[in-house]
Amino acid sequence: QQQVKQSPQSLIVQKGGISIINCAYENTAFDYFPWYQQFPGKGPALLIAIRPDVSEKKEGRFTISFNKSAKQFSLHIMDSQPGDSATYFCAAMAGSARQLTFGSGTQLTVLP
Amino acid sequence: ETGVTQSPTHLIKTRGQQVTLRCSSQSGHNTVSWYQQALGQGPQFIFQYYREEENGRGNFPPRFSGLQFPNYSSELNVNALELDDSALYLCASSPLAGGGNEQFFGPGTRLTVL
Repeated sequence: QQQVKQSPQSLIVQKGGISIINCAYENTAFDYFPWYQQFPGKGPALLIAIRPDVSEKKEGRFTISFNKSAKQFSLHIMDSQPGDSATYFCAAMAGSARQLTFGSGTQLTVLP
Repeated sequence: ETGVTQSPTHLIKTRGQQVTLRCSSQSGHNTVSWYQQALGQGPQFIFQYYREEENGRGNFPPRFSGLQFPNYSSELNVNALELDDSALYLCASSPLAGGGNEQFFGPGTRLTVL
C-alpha cells in the first residue's frame, strides 16, 4: 500500500495555541518522512523531516513525533502564529527514485 | 543561487490538445521529479528524470512523457488532454545523484483543460 492518510482535513487554532496534525502509513518500505508547508499559489516547501530510527525531531516551534510500531507520525506546531496559516502535507518517501507519497493535506487557520 | 523555476505560470487548453510544461532545476541539482496536484489534494508523483533518462514513474498513462536536458532542466509533455488533467503541475529538483531526500519544489504551472 502506498497511501498516506492525514487528519484532520482542516484545523482552526487560536494564536499561541498548539496545532497537531496526524498521519498514518502502511508501507514499511517508507524510510523518510517529511512535512511540507504550502501557501496559496506556491509550491510546497520542506518544513521538517524525520527518519524512522528517530522518535522525535524538533526544529524551533515545529516537532515531529514518530511511532514506528504504530506506523504513525505527527506534526506539532507550538505557539502557533497567524503566519503559520497554510496547508500542511505529510509525506513518505521510498524507492531508488525517492518518490514522495503525500497525504491529502490539512488546512490550518491560526486566528489572531 | 536561484530556486526551481517553472513556465508558464498558467495555461488553458482544450480537451484533446497537447501541452508542454518547463522546469529549470535549482543550481547544482541533477535530478528532477514531476508531480500533479489536483485541487484540494496532495501532489501525486508522475515521474523522475536523472541523467536525461526516466528514473521512476508513478501511476500515470504513457500520454504523460518527459525530457531532461544536459543542463538538468526538464519538460513535461501531456498528449490528448482530458478534463481530469486540470491541475497544478509541480517540478521538484534534488541535489544528489539518483535523487536525494530533500526535494525543492517550484511554484507550479496551473493547467486548465476545457
